Amino acid sequence: GENVEQHPSTLSVQEGDSAVIKCTYSDSASNYFPWYKQELGKGPQLIIDIRSNVGEKKDQRIAVTLNKTAKHFSLHITETQPEDSAVYFCAASIGAQKLVFGQGTRLTINP
Amino acid sequence: GAVVSQHPSWVICKSGTSVKIECRSLDFQATTMFWYRQFPKQSLMLMATSNEGSKATYEQGVEKDKFLINHASLTLSTLTVTSAHPEDSSFYICSAERGVGTGEQYFGPGTRLTVT
Repeated sequence: GENVEQHPSTLSVQEGDSAVIKCTYSDSASNYFPWYKQELGKGPQLIIDIRSNVGEKKDQRIAVTLNKTAKHFSLHITETQPEDSAVYFCAASIGAQKLVFGQGTRLTINP
Repeated sequence: GAVVSQHPSWVICKSGTSVKIECRSLDFQATTMFWYRQFPKQSLMLMATSNEGSKATYEQGVEKDKFLINHASLTLSTLTVTSAHPEDSSFYICSAERGVGTGEQYFGPGTRLTVT
Protein backbone atom coordinates (compact mmCIF):
# COMPACT_ATOMS: atom_id res chain seq x y z
CA GLY A 1 0.00 0.00 0.00
CA GLU A 2 0.86 3.68 -0.10
CA ASN A 3 3.50 5.01 2.28
CA VAL A 4 4.18 8.70 2.86
CA GLU A 5 7.37 9.97 4.48
CA GLN A 6 7.57 13.56 5.72
CA HIS A 7 10.64 15.61 6.65
CA PRO A 8 11.70 17.33 8.77
CA SER A 9 9.80 16.36 11.92
CA THR A 10 10.53 19.77 13.44
CA LEU A 11 11.43 23.04 11.78
CA SER A 12 12.27 26.37 13.33
CA VAL A 13 12.60 29.52 11.21
CA GLN A 14 12.89 33.23 11.82
CA GLU A 15 9.84 35.33 11.18
CA GLY A 16 9.91 36.57 7.61
CA ASP A 17 12.02 33.68 6.33
CA SER A 18 10.72 30.83 4.18
CA ALA A 19 9.88 27.31 5.34
CA VAL A 20 9.92 24.17 3.22
CA ILE A 21 8.50 20.78 4.18
CA LYS A 22 9.01 17.74 1.95
CA CYS A 23 7.11 14.51 1.49
CA THR A 24 7.76 11.42 -0.58
CA TYR A 25 5.22 8.80 -1.55
CA SER A 26 5.59 5.24 -2.71
CA ASP A 27 2.63 4.51 -5.00
CA SER A 28 3.01 6.05 -8.45
CA ALA A 29 -0.76 5.77 -8.90
CA SER A 30 -1.36 8.44 -6.22
CA ASN A 31 -2.92 11.50 -7.80
CA TYR A 32 -4.11 13.79 -5.02
CA PHE A 33 -1.81 15.51 -2.52
CA PRO A 34 -3.30 17.78 0.16
CA TRP A 35 -1.55 19.68 2.94
CA TYR A 36 -3.15 20.25 6.32
CA LYS A 37 -2.33 22.64 9.14
CA GLN A 38 -3.24 21.57 12.66
CA GLU A 39 -3.16 23.90 15.62
CA LEU A 40 -3.06 22.58 19.15
CA GLY A 41 -6.32 20.97 20.21
CA LYS A 42 -8.00 21.53 16.84
CA GLY A 43 -8.80 19.50 13.77
CA PRO A 44 -6.59 19.66 10.65
CA GLN A 45 -7.34 22.48 8.22
CA LEU A 46 -6.87 21.97 4.49
CA ILE A 47 -4.55 24.75 3.34
CA ILE A 48 -3.63 23.73 -0.18
CA ASP A 49 -3.78 20.70 -2.43
CA ILE A 50 -2.47 19.60 -5.79
CA ARG A 51 -3.45 16.94 -8.28
CA SER A 52 -1.10 14.91 -10.41
CA ASN A 53 -1.83 16.79 -13.61
CA VAL A 54 -0.31 19.98 -12.17
CA GLY A 55 3.31 20.64 -11.21
CA GLU A 56 2.85 23.66 -8.98
CA LYS A 57 0.07 25.54 -7.24
CA LYS A 58 0.24 28.77 -5.31
CA ASP A 59 -2.11 30.55 -2.92
CA GLN A 60 -0.73 33.82 -1.56
CA ARG A 61 2.22 32.89 0.70
CA ILE A 62 1.73 29.16 0.32
CA ALA A 63 2.79 26.99 -2.62
CA VAL A 64 3.01 23.30 -3.31
CA THR A 65 5.22 21.64 -5.91
CA LEU A 66 4.92 18.10 -7.22
CA ASN A 67 7.56 15.97 -8.90
CA LYS A 68 5.83 12.85 -10.15
CA THR A 69 9.01 11.30 -11.51
CA ALA A 70 10.75 11.48 -8.16
CA LYS A 71 7.47 10.89 -6.28
CA HIS A 72 7.84 13.80 -3.95
CA PHE A 73 5.95 16.98 -3.19
CA SER A 74 6.78 19.99 -1.07
CA LEU A 75 5.06 22.77 0.83
CA HIS A 76 6.61 26.22 0.64
CA ILE A 77 5.62 29.02 3.00
CA THR A 78 7.13 32.44 2.30
CA GLU A 79 7.31 35.50 4.55
CA THR A 80 6.48 33.39 7.58
CA GLN A 81 4.48 34.88 10.43
CA PRO A 82 4.00 33.76 14.05
CA GLU A 83 0.51 32.48 13.22
CA ASP A 84 2.08 29.98 10.81
CA SER A 85 3.36 28.06 13.84
CA ALA A 86 1.52 24.71 13.87
CA VAL A 87 1.88 21.07 12.89
CA TYR A 88 1.67 20.46 9.15
CA PHE A 89 0.68 17.14 7.60
CA CYS A 90 1.05 16.04 4.01
CA ALA A 91 -1.08 13.27 2.57
CA ALA A 92 -1.54 11.28 -0.61
CA SER A 93 -4.40 9.31 -2.10
CA ILE A 94 -5.43 7.50 -5.21
CA GLY A 95 -8.67 8.98 -6.39
CA ALA A 96 -11.37 8.53 -3.78
CA GLN A 97 -9.37 6.11 -1.71
CA LYS A 98 -8.35 6.93 1.82
CA LEU A 99 -5.72 9.55 2.53
CA VAL A 100 -2.36 8.29 3.77
CA PHE A 101 -0.76 10.89 6.03
CA GLY A 102 2.84 11.77 6.68
CA GLN A 103 4.16 11.86 10.23
CA GLY A 104 3.79 15.63 10.57
CA THR A 105 6.16 18.59 10.88
CA ARG A 106 6.08 20.89 13.88
CA LEU A 107 6.83 24.36 12.51
CA THR A 108 7.89 27.10 14.91
CA ILE A 109 8.22 30.69 13.76
CA ASN A 110 10.58 32.67 15.97
CA PRO A 111 9.83 36.40 16.28
CA GLY B 1 -17.33 26.91 2.55
CA ALA B 2 -16.63 23.28 3.51
CA VAL B 3 -17.36 23.49 7.22
CA VAL B 4 -17.55 20.36 9.36
CA SER B 5 -18.71 20.39 12.96
CA GLN B 6 -18.37 17.86 15.74
CA HIS B 7 -20.28 17.50 18.95
CA PRO B 8 -19.36 17.35 21.73
CA SER B 9 -15.95 19.03 21.66
CA TRP B 10 -14.98 17.21 24.81
CA VAL B 11 -16.57 14.53 26.98
CA ILE B 12 -15.71 12.72 30.18
CA CYS B 13 -17.39 9.41 30.87
CA LYS B 14 -17.10 6.55 33.31
CA SER B 15 -15.60 3.22 32.34
CA GLY B 16 -18.22 0.86 30.94
CA THR B 17 -20.54 3.53 29.57
CA SER B 18 -21.09 4.48 25.92
CA VAL B 19 -20.45 7.80 24.25
CA LYS B 20 -21.82 9.12 20.96
CA ILE B 21 -19.97 11.68 18.84
CA GLU B 22 -21.71 13.51 16.01
CA CYS B 23 -20.09 14.79 12.84
CA ARG B 24 -21.95 17.15 10.53
CA SER B 25 -21.11 18.74 7.20
CA LEU B 26 -22.73 22.16 7.47
CA ASP B 27 -22.57 23.59 3.97
CA PHE B 28 -22.15 20.59 1.69
CA GLN B 29 -23.41 17.06 1.35
CA ALA B 30 -21.01 14.25 2.08
CA THR B 31 -21.55 10.79 0.70
CA THR B 32 -18.39 9.67 2.44
CA MET B 33 -17.16 10.55 5.92
CA PHE B 34 -14.14 9.31 7.80
CA TRP B 35 -13.33 8.79 11.45
CA TYR B 36 -9.80 9.20 12.77
CA ARG B 37 -8.11 8.82 16.10
CA GLN B 38 -5.07 10.87 17.08
CA PHE B 39 -2.69 10.28 19.96
CA PRO B 40 -0.57 13.15 21.34
CA LYS B 41 2.17 14.29 18.98
CA GLN B 42 1.25 11.65 16.44
CA SER B 43 -0.30 11.58 13.01
CA LEU B 44 -3.91 10.76 12.26
CA MET B 45 -4.93 7.13 12.34
CA LEU B 46 -7.89 6.20 10.14
CA MET B 47 -10.43 4.11 12.01
CA ALA B 48 -13.18 3.70 9.46
CA THR B 49 -14.79 5.01 6.30
CA SER B 50 -18.53 5.53 6.31
CA ASN B 51 -20.71 5.84 3.25
CA GLU B 52 -24.23 7.21 3.49
CA GLY B 53 -26.78 4.44 3.67
CA SER B 54 -24.34 1.55 3.90
CA LYS B 55 -22.17 -0.18 6.47
CA ALA B 56 -18.88 1.39 7.45
CA THR B 57 -15.56 -0.06 6.37
CA TYR B 58 -13.22 -0.50 9.30
CA GLU B 59 -9.43 -0.45 9.19
CA GLN B 60 -7.53 -3.49 10.30
CA GLY B 61 -7.34 -3.75 14.07
CA VAL B 62 -10.36 -1.52 14.75
CA GLU B 63 -13.16 -3.34 16.56
CA LYS B 64 -16.39 -2.69 14.70
CA ASP B 65 -18.52 -3.80 17.65
CA LYS B 66 -16.78 -1.33 19.92
CA PHE B 67 -16.77 1.64 17.57
CA LEU B 68 -20.23 1.80 16.02
CA ILE B 69 -20.56 4.09 13.02
CA ASN B 70 -23.79 5.27 11.48
CA HIS B 71 -24.08 7.49 8.40
CA ALA B 72 -27.82 7.91 8.04
CA SER B 73 -27.88 11.13 6.02
CA LEU B 74 -25.68 13.09 3.63
CA THR B 75 -24.75 15.53 6.38
CA LEU B 76 -24.48 13.43 9.52
CA SER B 77 -22.30 10.57 10.70
CA THR B 78 -22.05 9.32 14.27
CA LEU B 79 -19.41 7.36 16.14
CA THR B 80 -20.46 5.52 19.29
CA VAL B 81 -17.76 4.21 21.58
CA THR B 82 -19.39 1.34 23.44
CA SER B 83 -18.33 0.07 26.85
CA ALA B 84 -15.59 2.66 27.00
CA HIS B 85 -12.38 1.95 28.87
CA PRO B 86 -9.52 4.29 29.85
CA GLU B 87 -7.48 3.10 26.87
CA ASP B 88 -10.18 4.53 24.59
CA SER B 89 -9.30 8.01 25.83
CA SER B 90 -8.11 9.94 22.81
CA PHE B 91 -8.78 12.76 20.34
CA TYR B 92 -11.36 11.64 17.78
CA ILE B 93 -11.67 13.59 14.54
CA CYS B 94 -14.09 13.17 11.69
CA SER B 95 -13.78 14.37 8.12
CA ALA B 96 -16.19 14.68 5.24
CA GLU B 97 -15.40 14.35 1.56
CA ARG B 98 -16.69 17.21 -0.54
CA GLY B 99 -17.97 15.89 -3.83
CA VAL B 100 -17.97 12.27 -4.87
CA GLY B 101 -14.60 10.70 -5.51
CA THR B 102 -12.68 13.97 -5.18
CA GLY B 103 -10.55 12.89 -2.24
CA GLU B 104 -10.99 16.37 -0.70
CA GLN B 105 -11.49 15.84 3.01
CA TYR B 106 -12.52 18.59 5.38
CA PHE B 107 -12.03 17.92 9.06
CA GLY B 108 -14.11 18.67 12.09
CA PRO B 109 -12.61 20.33 15.18
CA GLY B 110 -12.24 17.02 17.02
CA THR B 111 -13.66 15.51 20.21
CA ARG B 112 -11.51 14.93 23.27
CA LEU B 113 -12.73 11.76 25.05
CA THR B 114 -11.57 11.00 28.57
CA VAL B 115 -12.68 7.75 30.17
CA THR B 116 -12.29 7.58 33.94
